[in-house]
Amino acid sequence: DAGVIQSPRHEVTEMGQEVTLRCKPISGHNSLFWYRQTMMRGLELLIYFNNNVPIDDSGMPEDRFSAKMPNASFSTLKIQPSEPRDSAVYFCASTVGTAYGELFFGEGSRLTVL
Amino acid sequence: GNSVTQMEGPVTLSEEAFLTINCTYTATGYPSLFWYVQYPGEGLQLLLKATKADDKGSNKGFEATYRKETTSFHLEKGSVQVSDSAVYFCALSDSGGGADGLTFGKGTHLIIQP
Repeated sequence: DAGVIQSPRHEVTEMGQEVTLRCKPISGHNSLFWYRQTMMRGLELLIYFNNNVPIDDSGMPEDRFSAKMPNASFSTLKIQPSEPRDSAVYFCASTVGTAYGELFFGEGSRLTVL
Repeated sequence: GNSVTQMEGPVTLSEEAFLTINCTYTATGYPSLFWYVQYPGEGLQLLLKATKADDKGSNKGFEATYRKETTSFHLEKGSVQVSDSAVYFCALSDSGGGADGLTFGKGTHLIIQP
């Protein structure tokens, strides 16, 4: 069975450019999470969707970040404009409901902003 | 607020050594506790969990016991293998064990040498 699929796996861009990260959750999962991982701050929850509706976006760092989930099988995280401090690994995870803490993570998108 | 504190790594051990990775937490109420593992180049995956005091979670030879009196959930394995090299994350959830309330520790990098 396919797991959570993220693209791109690696992205290198220049400061000021727009970055779009994509996620396809596991079929049948109705909750989707975006996390950011850095050495300094560890794993941070950015936003959480349930049934395609954003439930908690309090972790989105600022207005430069936006996330959408137009349907049950696709979500995007957009950064516009990007800055060097946005460099991190971005993970998408999905689960059924909130399933007792078991999240299924994708392999991550490593973003480098020069 | 909730927080999870893990021992800082990297932790380097020889194959067949005994492993302990310490984890303590701060939370209101009665959280559920989890260990996730991240193998190189992959996303996190659930290793084990415990939902109430004195519960022991176990999987793949790893164990952790939910100690309410010491607010701890230390991860142990009696004989580690090279394939156990990974980053281990302790996490808690205070939303009835749900994934939407997960708070992760910063992770402990484990290196097992042959």
